[in-house]
Amino acid sequence: EAQVTQNPRYLITVTGKKLTVTCSQNMNHEYMSWYRQDPGLGLRQIYYSMNVEVTDKGDVPEGYKVSRKEKRNFPLILESPSPNQTSLYFCASSSQGRYEQYFGPGTRLTVT
Amino acid sequence: GQQLNQSPQSMFIQEGEDVSMNCTSSSIFNTWLWYKQDPGEGPVLLIALYKAGELTSNGRLTAQFGITRKDSFLNISASIPSDVGIYFCAPTSGAGSYQLTFGKGTKLSVIP
Repeated sequence: EAQVTQNPRYLITVTGKKLTVTCSQNMNHEYMSWYRQDPGLGLRQIYYSMNVEVTDKGDVPEGYKVSRKEKRNFPLILESPSPNQTSLYFCASSSQGRYEQYFGPGTRLTVT
Repeated sequence: GQQLNQSPQSMFIQEGEDVSMNCTSSSIFNTWLWYKQDPGEGPVLLIALYKAGELTSNGRLTAQFGITRKDSFLNISASIPSDVGIYFCAPTSGAGSYQLTFGKGTKLSVIP
């Protein structure tokens, strides 16, 4: 089944403790992206990747890092999480030349 | 910056009624996407529109890409309880840019 998977689905952590949220897609998509969703602010893009080793900042990149070493994986790294990064995070992917993005199930992160 | 307005913000309808929602923008877009999101889940792509004036159906859903390329609407006919959720428009300028601009969403409630 074609899908985008994220792990973990739920995470509660403390301020400053480094964490990684994994994202993987099995559709051989070139484009991958991370979003956060907050009440009243909608979906905002954090980082995106056009292909392996090619990443760029989205609208709200501060406090986040990403890497794209393999085509299928696009992990989101929070080196020193803070409470304002408490949010619902989504990974998405798209095939080159097509603009439809397919979303993962989401990761609900709480930073205390 | 570009402004994207989605309306209505929320609507309560009786099962069996038709629904209409729309998005308008201050900018021109070359692709309009419509997504549905269930609570705590990732957005699911409903319809993709690639051409100004295009009218596309997906079951009980119909969407149109406005001729000015600044707007789009989504209609749902004969609503059923599982139509409940938040609907988002997500246009993009295309032409190699995969960045989506998300509307704030229309929250649909269906009364059985």
